[in-house]
Amino acid sequence: QKEVEQNSGPLSVPEGAIASLNCTYSDRGSQSFFWYRQYSGKSPELIMSIYSNGDKEDGRFTAQLNKASQYVSLLIRDSQPSDSATYLCAVSLNTGGFKTIFGAGTRLFVKA
Amino acid sequence: EAQVTQNPRYLITVTGKKLTVTCSQNMNHEYMSWYRQDPGLGLRQIYYSMNVEVTDKGDVPEGYKVSRKEKRNFPLILESPSPNQTSLYFCASSFSHLRGRESSYFGPGTRLTVT
Repeated sequence: QKEVEQNSGPLSVPEGAIASLNCTYSDRGSQSFFWYRQYSGKSPELIMSIYSNGDKEDGRFTAQLNKASQYVSLLIRDSQPSDSATYLCAVSLNTGGFKTIFGAGTRLFVKA
Repeated sequence: EAQVTQNPRYLITVTGKKLTVTCSQNMNHEYMSWYRQDPGLGLRQIYYSMNVEVTDKGDVPEGYKVSRKEKRNFPLILESPSPNQTSLYFCASSFSHLRGRESSYFGPGTRLTVT
């Protein structure tokens, strides 16, 4: 059974701090890795995708991938109350996101 | 405006009464997918489609059917709904820019209750 594991949280950080969200996956054949943000009652929205080992930065967000450790993380710098949401890690065997497995999500609270 | 639409948004039905949830995207994406979201279980993929007439099972396909006759549409069919299919359903479409930047959009969701 292919799995994607996330700490369910909630993770609480003060405004302006760095929020660190972690995800592990079981299938070594995984090629594409995604982070989605889902506000309560809303649809998931893609915030980061990463395919190669290392870091990928986009604004306040940095995704980190370590395929040897089967680990992917998301760092949110200068966290804002508007970042409070559930963050979903997703893993796919192919680029273009064919068969995709999602983690259950980590709830993040950013305290003003 | 890039958009994935789903209809209906809310549906209450009875066991065994066939239903279809429609999904349409206006971005000419090749890849489309259906998910269900349940508390504590997260998003689970039901079916996905890589292009017209090309579909495959996700993790939880039992009790569902799909078709992809046109690129923009990907309906989800429940031939004989059961109460365990009560859930929040999302349709999604995406396009991969050759490992550069992924474009992925989810529809607004369909809340289905089967009594």
